[in-house]
Amino acid sequence: DAKTTQPPSMDCAEGRAANLPCNHSTISGNEYVYWYRQIHSQGPQYIIHGLKNNETNEMASLIITEDRKSSTLILPHATLRDTAVYYCIVRVRGNTGKLIFGQGTTLQVKP
Amino acid sequence: GAVVSQHPSRVICKSGTSVKIECRSLDFQATTMFWYRQFPKQSLMLMATSNEGSKATYEQGVEKDKFLINHASLTLSTLTVTSAHPEDSSFYICSAKPGVKETQYFGPGTRLLVL
Repeated sequence: DAKTTQPPSMDCAEGRAANLPCNHSTISGNEYVYWYRQIHSQGPQYIIHGLKNNETNEMASLIITEDRKSSTLILPHATLRDTAVYYCIVRVRGNTGKLIFGQGTTLQVKP
Repeated sequence: GAVVSQHPSRVICKSGTSVKIECRSLDFQATTMFWYRQFPKQSLMLMATSNEGSKATYEQGVEKDKFLINHASLTLSTLTVTSAHPEDSSFYICSAKPGVKETQYFGPGTRLLVL
């Protein structure tokens, strides 16, 4: 599966949009981009995923560049409860489904 | 929907004993379940993939005789840490994948402390 690169940490003011970038320059055409987050001492929580189109759900929006080499997760109105480690993962569509986690981005939402 | 539970949430055991951790998908059938381990300040590391009714597939470096995995039904997988030692102390997390969906859902984790 393609590797991803994320900044180790980011800050965001409460109520503002949090934009978390992810580079996946070696992504293949049949690989999805997944985002999970992990709040301290809990299991990861699924946020969103996409193949090539932008996606939006009740939690976030996922913007994938046209060449698919990078993506951005957007939390439109960050709250203190959004403080977590955010993982961007690329995996092959239709394989066993296993996810390989990198180091992620620690997002700190500040009041 | 897509809720995964783990039991126990926390366990303390003596060195040399075995510990069993259960992972259940509560509202869906999981043909595939995964087990991860996470040490403090590190990311999740995949240990093994289990499919219902067949033997688990272990990642490189994970001892299959030490970490026994059983996926006896479509809603239950168990991880048994045999002859636990202090270095096995970690946060163990399972996840489950509904058969027809691509997305994987995680349990809340089990914190194991071996004294």
